[in-house]
Amino acid sequence: GAGVSQSPRYKVAKRGQDVALRCDPISGHVSLFWYQQALGQGPEFLTYFQNEAQLDKSGLPSDRFFAERPEGSVSTLKIQRTQQEDSAVYLCASSLARVTPNEKLFFGSGTQLSVL
Amino acid sequence: QQQVKQSPQSLIVQKGGISIINCAYENTAFDYFPWYQQFPGKGPALLIAIRPDVSEKKEGRFTISFNKSAKQFSLHIMDSQPGDSATYFCAASRVTGGGNKLTFGTGTQLKVEL
Repeated sequence: GAGVSQSPRYKVAKRGQDVALRCDPISGHVSLFWYQQALGQGPEFLTYFQNEAQLDKSGLPSDRFFAERPEGSVSTLKIQRTQQEDSAVYLCASSLARVTPNEKLFFGSGTQLSVL
Repeated sequence: QQQVKQSPQSLIVQKGGISIINCAYENTAFDYFPWYQQFPGKGPALLIAIRPDVSEKKEGRFTISFNKSAKQFSLHIMDSQPGDSATYFCAASRVTGGGNKLTFGTGTQLKVEL
């Protein structure tokens, strides 16, 4: 595809439900990131994949958050037993290179999660 | 612990004027400083970026000024246009331990009026 694709675009969940958010990165992109953006705030890092390997998950807020990228392309962010504080936009980003500080990062439009 | 502080929170500029947004960072290990532009309902898009070995970088109407000793950097938008109205985020990252893992500022909502 032309860009990073995320689905669903919007998700409403009842407190306690499990949700799964999908990210399709740009084809061939090695690096994939998940960020969480609360209303009126900057994105905050959640986790990073290099191909299928999850190299950094230091930003995941709790063990209710889990991410995977089993074949090194599509990634899924799963949130178990959702809480109201999980309400945010979840952004996925990908880049072509492995570890280059000025490698351009491409963001998707995000999934807006609302937990009622 | 906010590692990148951004100001102002909002900014109104007249068309043709200069928009200036400032950021300060704490972690001296940061070695890459990008600025992102975000429109409502969209993800952030890279605008311009700088490495700490230069003090200024210009791309079209956008300029980053970087002061390593003060640990500050700023974005200048010359000849601001209504189409520049968006939220701007500064960010910082370091190479080790995570590639392009970015730490973002809190954002500046820019409105350019006619």
